[in-house]
Amino acid sequence: ETGVTQTPRHLVMGMTNKKSLKCEQHLGHNAMYWYKQSAKKPLELMFVYNFKEQTENNSVPSRFSPECPNSSHLFLHLHTLQPEDSALYLCASSQAGTASGANVLTFGAGSRLTVL
Amino acid sequence: RKEVEQDPGPFNVPEGATVAFNCTYSNSASQSFFWYRQDCRKEPKLLMSVYSSGNEDGRFTAQLNRASQYISLLIRDSKLSDSATYLCVVRGGRGQNFVFGPGTRLSVLP
Repeated sequence: ETGVTQTPRHLVMGMTNKKSLKCEQHLGHNAMYWYKQSAKKPLELMFVYNFKEQTENNSVPSRFSPECPNSSHLFLHLHTLQPEDSALYLCASSQAGTASGANVLTFGAGSRLTVL
Repeated sequence: RKEVEQDPGPFNVPEGATVAFNCTYSNSASQSFFWYRQDCRKEPKLLMSVYSSGNEDGRFTAQLNRASQYISLLIRDSKLSDSATYLCVVRGGRGQNFVFGPGTRLSVLP
């Protein structure tokens, strides 16, 4: 496997369900991100982890709970979601540290979530 | 003011046309700059990094003006396959996070 892999690619859940999104990167990066993209809206940064430590929580509701057990894996645990949470959830990775043109953000294919 | 702003679009151009996208950013501490493209219902993918001296990759030319906090992307000889949303991305400042603009949609018409 190469790049950034996300599972599942599609998920339909009820408002009372508990589910998790999984992300794995094979690029040797040490920073991982969750972004949300709703229809016709810009990408919204949700969480950032650098070296497994959460460094950014962009005022995300507690019904979204991230977990980063190591630098290669990132999860997003979902519970009691609302229909307006339906969106494309994108995982990405990069090298932490100094910004440079060579230090780019690489995305997974995304998990398309529908909350009924 | 948003951190990264782009032409609102959409741009509808004929094949073979030259099209230019503009982007401005508000954080003067920003250190690295990128253009990504996103196809419909797909993830964003890196198109090119943008360097201070300007850089070119085939039909694509990117320019950076740090004094004006302005980035541009020029696409020459547009192809149908260039149809996508083009995202301006800036990194740097507190947290060194990647900040995305809202994107400009391009449709290249036959």
